[in-house]
Amino acid sequence: NAGVMQNPRHLVRRRGQEARLRCSPMKGHSHVYWYRQLPEEGLKFMVYLQKENIIDESGMPKERFSAEFPKEGPSILRIQQVVRGDSAAYFCASSPPGQGGPNEQFFGPGTRLTVL
Amino acid sequence: AQSVTQLGSHVSVSEGALVLLRCNYSSSVPPYLFWYVQYPNQGLQLLLKYTSAATLVKGINGFEAEFKKSETSFHLTKPSAHMSDAAEYFCAVSEANTGNQFYFGTGTSLTVIP
Repeated sequence: NAGVMQNPRHLVRRRGQEARLRCSPMKGHSHVYWYRQLPEEGLKFMVYLQKENIIDESGMPKERFSAEFPKEGPSILRIQQVVRGDSAAYFCASSPPGQGGPNEQFFGPGTRLTVL
Repeated sequence: AQSVTQLGSHVSVSEGALVLLRCNYSSSVPPYLFWYVQYPNQGLQLLLKYTSAATLVKGINGFEAEFKKSETSFHLTKPSAHMSDAAEYFCAVSEANTGNQFYFGTGTSLTVIP
């Protein structure tokens, strides 16, 4: 069973371009989470999605950031008009359907975004 | 609101010495607690988790953690450090009523000295 897959592993963009980060959850997992890790900091929650639904986006910046998890295909985190402050590692995690409490989240290797 | 505090952003121990990484949490309801390890340029790997069963939790690679409600702590320990334990360690808290969102501490970087 393959783990959580993220691509690309490294992404370089110039200011003003768009960044698209992809995440394929583990087989059988219907819950996807995106986190951002700034240098020397812990992970900050961004958004929690289930298939075709955004469950919690309380950690998403109000502008330029969006996420989706379509019925078919990977989850996408999209950052429009990137700025230097968006440079960070973006981690995706997945978990199986809940059974009354938070489940372990399985993390992908991350996408390291560098904005020039 | 939930939060996690990890005291000591950098910890150094000698090989073979006790490892103690501290984690304190705040939560309005009984929490679920997790320790993850991150090796350079990799994702996070679960070490162990507390989900309201036994208060002493054993994880992988010889690590364990004890949930102490009175101290709101979930410190991570290992009796004897190995060189391969050098990594970044993150404590996280979650609650059943928050949609499975995890709140992470800022991490502790563990260095093992030969």
